[in-house]
Formats: sequence, C-alpha cells, structure tokens
Amino acid sequence: DAMVIQNPRYQVTQFGKPVTLSCSQTLNHNVMYWYQQKSSQAPKLLFHYYDKDFNNEADTPDNFQSRRPNTSFCFLDIRSPGLGDAAMYLCATSRGQGTSETQYFGPGTRLLVL
Amino acid sequence: AQSVTQLDSQVPVFEEAPVELRCNYSSSVSVYLFWYVQYPNQGLQLLLKYLSGSTLVKGINGFEAEFNKSQTSFHLRKPSVHISDTAEYFCAVTGTGGYNKLIFGAGTRLAVHP
Repeated sequence: DAMVIQNPRYQVTQFGKPVTLSCSQTLNHNVMYWYQQKSSQAPKLLFHYYDKDFNNEADTPDNFQSRRPNTSFCFLDIRSPGLGDAAMYLCATSRGQGTSETQYFGPGTRLLVL
Repeated sequence: AQSVTQLDSQVPVFEEAPVELRCNYSSSVSVYLFWYVQYPNQGLQLLLKYLSGSTLVKGINGFEAEFNKSQTSFHLRKPSVHISDTAEYFCAVTGTGGYNKLIFGAGTRLAVHP
C-alpha cells in the first residue's frame, strides 16, 4: 500500500544534542509537510516543500531545519533541542499545493528531550 | 486569516448512542473544511472534507458532516458510535487561495463507553 512512513516512532535525545527525524513516502506526491503537535494541542505547520522549493512558516524557530534530497524523502533537523521541543512530529504529503488537496499523514515520531 | 473553534474538548458517550462534535470557523475568505481522526499514538486520517456542492458530506466509518455557511459551522455526526470510535477528532480549514496550510482546531476527545 502507498503510504507515508516515519522513522523512528520514538526518539529520545539530550538537551542541546542535534537530532534528525525522517519521513518517506511511496505516494509520489509533490508536497511534503512537517507539523509539530504538542501534548493535547492541535498540529501546527512548521514548513513544507513543493518539489525542491522550501517554504518556512513565519513563526517556525530557526532551530528547526529541513532537507528534501529527493521526492521520496524529507528530513526534520532540530539543531539544539530544548525541553519545549518535546512533541509529536507529523509528516504529511499531498499531490499538489492546492488548498482542496487532501493531506496524508504518517504515524508520527514522538520526540522526548532529556 | 482563518481560525477554528471546537466547542467541546471532551465528549463522553455510550456505545450505540448518536454523537455530534461541534466545529465553528472564522474566515474572511471562502474555505475548504476537513475532519481528521487521530487514534492513540497514530497520525491523522481524513474522515471527510467539504469543497463545494451538497452541504451534507458523507465520510468513512459512518460519519457525516453538514456545512452551514450562515452559521460558519461544520459539525460532525454519527448516528450510532462504537467503542472503536474512541479517538481525537480535529476540524480543520484551508483558504481557497494561497498554499495548502491546514489550520486545525484544538481537537475533541471522543470517549465511547460500553
């Protein structure tokens, strides 16, 4: 089945130690998104890629970066995680950028910062 | 700018009873509306979406929602719930212009009891 895959499902890191979360998709979609979901809160968009074009949300901290080396893979890099960055990180894809397009979500990576 | 208000943070209900999860939105432009479900420790799955046309939208798992433009609402309903419907439900909007940025409500936790 075509899907969005996130690895690992759980990630533990230390305060200030860089960490990378990964997302891959077999849907061949053009757009990939990263959302942050803190406990008992709504998901919040961090940034998205349309093909190779990177689009950062205005309120996304500089501590968060992303890479998309090819259509299938997208990475979220947190350069110096703080305790406040502990959250579920959700990757999503859509075929196009149109606002009627359905976004397909992966299972998420839960990040714990010690 | 768009915003979404989910009026109930938690809804307890007995199995086989009907349920309604309320969602109101605010927007200065036309919107598309979505309902997503999130089971524990999983990503989001699309239940249904309203783009245009009939205001009554049918989705997966027996859910339906009605778009009411005058009341700026998009309430989700199911006539008879099952234990397996226990999950977090998110209402979301995108504008009809710009890029595909989902604005989520805070979520409603549906707890179905035997």
